Amino acid sequence: GQNIDQPTEMTATEGAIVQINCTYQTSGFNGLFWYQQHAGEAPTFLSYNVLDGLEEKGRFSSFLSRSKGYSYLLLKELQMKDSASYLCAVRDLMDSSYKLIFGSGTRLLVRP
Amino acid sequence: DSGVTQTPKHLITATGQRVTLRCSPRSGDLSVYWYQQSLDQGLQFLIHYYNGEERAKGNILERFSAQQFPDLHSELNLSSLELGDSALYFCASSPRGREEGRTEAFFGQGTRLTVV
Repeated sequence: GQNIDQPTEMTATEGAIVQINCTYQTSGFNGLFWYQQHAGEAPTFLSYNVLDGLEEKGRFSSFLSRSKGYSYLLLKELQMKDSASYLCAVRDLMDSSYKLIFGSGTRLLVRP
Repeated sequence: DSGVTQTPKHLITATGQRVTLRCSPRSGDLSVYWYQQSLDQGLQFLIHYYNGEERAKGNILERFSAQQFPDLHSELNLSSLELGDSALYFCASSPRGREEGRTEAFFGQGTRLTVV
């Protein structure tokens, strides 16, 4: 089966840096995704890692260690609009489906 | 705009009733995934269709069913509704073939179902 863990809530200050961790266990790993979701809205894609290492995209970076089953999302220069839930998802190819299995999400509150 | 269209946006219905949620994937995408998101919960995978055929099933209740039509739109049917079925239902689509393994899934805006 699959198991994805991430913290439930985090708080950070505007302008600061925050790191959201995600650990996973899965049998057919085929990539790890981070999505942002504002309350009541659709998830929007942030980043994708399939190989070990760091992927950087503007203020957002994501890291993956496949041997440790670990990823993190790094948000720099936090802005108030970054207050949202951040969803870690693993693509699992157990039954020939490219479905994404999501963690419960981390609710980030950015304070002035 | 992701290019994935879901209708209706909101639906209020009574317990015991049946509803149909509709999803049109992005142009050219063959895969449609359905997810359920209850209040303050993560996205739970329900079912995956690829080019009209069921590809994978998650924790989908027997009261729920789905299909994908020749024009690739998909419908999720929820019957004998219970209060606990109140949730956001999202569909997502992704490109065909090898591209599907290298790209993200694109989500529709969701249907908010309220069962009263």
